Amino acid sequence: DTEVTQTPKHLVMGMTNKKSLKCEQHMGHRAMYWYKQKAKKPPELMFVYSYEKLSINESVPSRFSPECPNSSLLNLHLHALQPEDSALYLCASSQERNMNTEAFFGQGTRLTVV
Amino acid sequence: DQQVKQNSPSLSVQEGRISILNCDYTNSMFDYFLWYKKYPAEGPTFLISISSIKDKNEDGRFTVFLNKSAKHLSLHIVPSQPGDSAVYFCAASPYSGGGADGLTFGKGTHLIIQP
Repeated sequence: DTEVTQTPKHLVMGMTNKKSLKCEQHMGHRAMYWYKQKAKKPPELMFVYSYEKLSINESVPSRFSPECPNSSLLNLHLHALQPEDSALYLCASSQERNMNTEAFFGQGTRLTVV
Repeated sequence: DQQVKQNSPSLSVQEGRISILNCDYTNSMFDYFLWYKKYPAEGPTFLISISSIKDKNEDGRFTVFLNKSAKHLSLHIVPSQPGDSAVYFCAASPYSGGGADGLTFGKGTHLIIQP
């Protein structure tokens, strides 16, 4: 199993809504990541978790709140988003941070904020 | 300032021929380089990687070449197949490993394989 599974695939939310994106992997990876990708742009790192602890927060606004309940799950809680937050949100995992191994990406959640 | 540059937004190649995708970088601290392939509405899929201590890595139809002095790498696909049509991202990491937190991505090259 080399999959990173993200749900939902698509999400439309209003600016006052609260929603969550979910990511799951069963490869035993101890590092998990959230990326944001806007159209025709490369993915941009948002958060890094290593052994269920937040290691990196790339100056992401507090309306995005990550959570790592266990080593297989990674959530991204969304609240009071803006239309410019509409993007593809990608989850990734790797065996550990900074190890000689590639990162596996999920299919992403296409988020539209209206 | 873009540290990883893919100067060709798109590339069209005939089926069966060689596809060559190029990538340049500016940060001499980069130590590990990866290529990802992305289909529309899907996440990037890891393709091949190369450590800075090597100048070539081969995996089936895919070969990555690294020229450290020129800060240039390229991905060769031989022979090109219709299923290779996708956006290819070059990525670089300052770590000797390829974990995702140090990755800097290029803007991608859209490869179109024509029958």
